[in-house]
Order: sequence, then C-alpha cells, then structure tokens
Amino acid sequence: DTTVKQNPRYKLARVGKPVNLICSQTMNHDTMYWYQKKPNQAPKLLLFYYDKILNREADTFEKFQSSRPNNSFCSLYIGSAGLEYSAMYLCASSRDEDSAETLYFGSGTRLTVL
Amino acid sequence: AQKVTQTQTSISVMEKTTVTMDCVYETQDSSYFLFWYKQTASGEIVFLIRQDSYKKENATVGHYSLNFQKPKSSIGLIITATQIEDSAVYFCAMREGNQGGRALIFGTGTTVSVSP
Repeated sequence: DTTVKQNPRYKLARVGKPVNLICSQTMNHDTMYWYQKKPNQAPKLLLFYYDKILNREADTFEKFQSSRPNNSFCSLYIGSAGLEYSAMYLCASSRDEDSAETLYFGSGTRLTVL
Repeated sequence: AQKVTQTQTSISVMEKTTVTMDCVYETQDSSYFLFWYKQTASGEIVFLIRQDSYKKENATVGHYSLNFQKPKSSIGLIITATQIEDSAVYFCAMREGNQGGRALIFGTGTTVSVSP
C-alpha cells in the first residue's frame, strides 16, 4: 500500500477560526510534508517532519503548526484562518529526508475560508 | 536560491503523438535531483521520473523520457505515444542534494490536453 490519506477532502472554515487537517501513511516513512497549492501556482512547502523533528519554512513559520504523535500520522494546524489560507493542502511522505527520495502525495484537502 | 521555471502554461496534442514540456532550473549546488510529477483530474500528484544531476544518461520510464541539458540547466519531459489519460498537469521539481532536509521546489506546472 503506497497511499497517503488525507481527511477531510473538503473543509469550510470561518475567518478567525482554527483549522486542523489530518494526514496518515502506512508505509513507515520517516518524513512527512505539508504543501500548500493555490490555482496556477506551484505547490509550496510549508513544513516537514523528519522523524520527530519539525522543520518549518522561514516565510510560513508563524502561520502553521504541526504535530506528529506517531510515525503514521501528521496534522497541520492553523490557529486563526484568514481568507488567504484558502487553498489545496497536500500531504506527502518519503522514506527518509534524502534529496533523491520520491515523495508520495495524498489527494489533498481543499480548504475554503469564508 | 533554487528556482524552477515552466514557461509553457498549456499544450494541446492529438492522441498517439509526442509531447515535449520544458523546464529550467536554478541552483548553486553541484549535486541535485530533478523530478517530474503529474497531477490528475482528481487532484492526486504522482511521481513520474527522476534525473540525478551526476548522471549523463537521460532517464527513461515507460513512455516518459527526459532531455537533460545540464549546461543549459534544462530538464525537458517527453511523452511518446500519448493517450487520453495523459491529460493532466505536469510539474517539474528540484531538490538540492548536498545535505538532507532540503525542500522539493516545484514549477508552476504545464497543463497537457490530449485529444482523440
């Protein structure tokens, strides 16, 4: 099984409210990633976990949080959603953090903030 | 800083023909990895093919092949004998390889439409 699963597929949120997105993988991959994808833009890396170590991109450091309670599960948390957070959120995993490793993506969660 | 550029927004081709997509990249690292991913209509992003910077031979997987021109910092994707199901958005991506934990940087994608 090489699937990465994301829930929910669609999510509606109100401005100023928190949002929690969930991702799981059963491939025993060490590394899990969260990307943000907006229409006509490249997927943008938000953060990733290598084992239990969280790495966040400098320009999104304060906007997104994440937790990884075990190897299979990773969440993305937005403390206070703004309109600019409306996007597709893609979770991915790879065997380890080596640059040659292939990323396996989930089907994404489409977040709409109103 | 690393950057990946796909200038072709969309390409339309007839079934069973060959389509070529362009991608140029910028990096200061001597070691890096180049990838092509495909996003289907359902939104799923799937890995297609990879080129390692230190390899001179162009990678080939099934009906996907790469045109790696290192002096031009170019990595084109070639799909031969296209099928309707090849209609998708194709993303070029790069990851620098000198140390672990580097981000996979994507281009903006090229939409390919294959007609019967």
